[in-house]
Amino acid sequence: EVQLLESGGGLVQPGGSLRLSCAASGFTFSRYAMSWVRQAPGKGLEWVSAISGSGGSTNYADPVKGRFTISRDNSKNTLYLQMNSLRAEDTAIYYCAKCLTAHSSNWYYDFWGQGTLVTVSS
Amino acid sequence: EIVLTQSPVTLSLSPGERATLSCRASQSVGSYLAWYQHKPGQAPSLLIYDASNRATGIPARFSGSGSGTDFTLSISSLEPEDFAVYYCQQRLNWPLTFGGGTKVEIK
Repeated sequence: EVQLLESGGGLVQPGGSLRLSCAASGFTFSRYAMSWVRQAPGKGLEWVSAISGSGGSTNYADPVKGRFTISRDNSKNTLYLQMNSLRAEDTAIYYCAKCLTAHSSNWYYDFWGQGTLVTVSS
Repeated sequence: EIVLTQSPVTLSLSPGERATLSCRASQSVGSYLAWYQHKPGQAPSLLIYDASNRATGIPARFSGSGSGTDFTLSISSLEPEDFAVYYCQQRLNWPLTFGGGTKVEIK
């Protein structure tokens, strides 16, 4: 059974940093590209960042480019999102999501975690 | 950036009725479009990918159609568990984008 478990969310002041983790199980983690998607309070889904299965290719949404870094440790089956220079508008539930197809750029998401809440406030 | 516009924002229907949701892209995405269902407090679920392919385990009452810029998600006969928010998503270009969502609520 595929499981994705996010952690690392919490309350942080504007300008601060957080690192989110997503522990994956139930599938061969290194074969699948992964992403982070967020949902601000009362808003819709917003794609944040994506990383290939090897970790060699990454992409970012413009609002987070230069502030967030996606990475993965395939030996630990874990996805990360390092978030720096956080702003109030980064307040959201952050979901990690697994891509549908192994070894491809098929950027649809067939499994999602339950999410971790990040609140940026003074 | 490809903008996806979903309509209507809210759809009020009764169980057993047919639901028709629309997603329009600001430029052609070919068939590279997916639909998700999202219930409060739960993880989103993939329903349809590549415009018309049902994901594993998705009931046949869900169907997707369209190509280019105009797409439709149909639910043939609403079950109580189908009342939720639905999003479309394109994967043609970076950045990946989602539509604003359509809430299907009980009338």
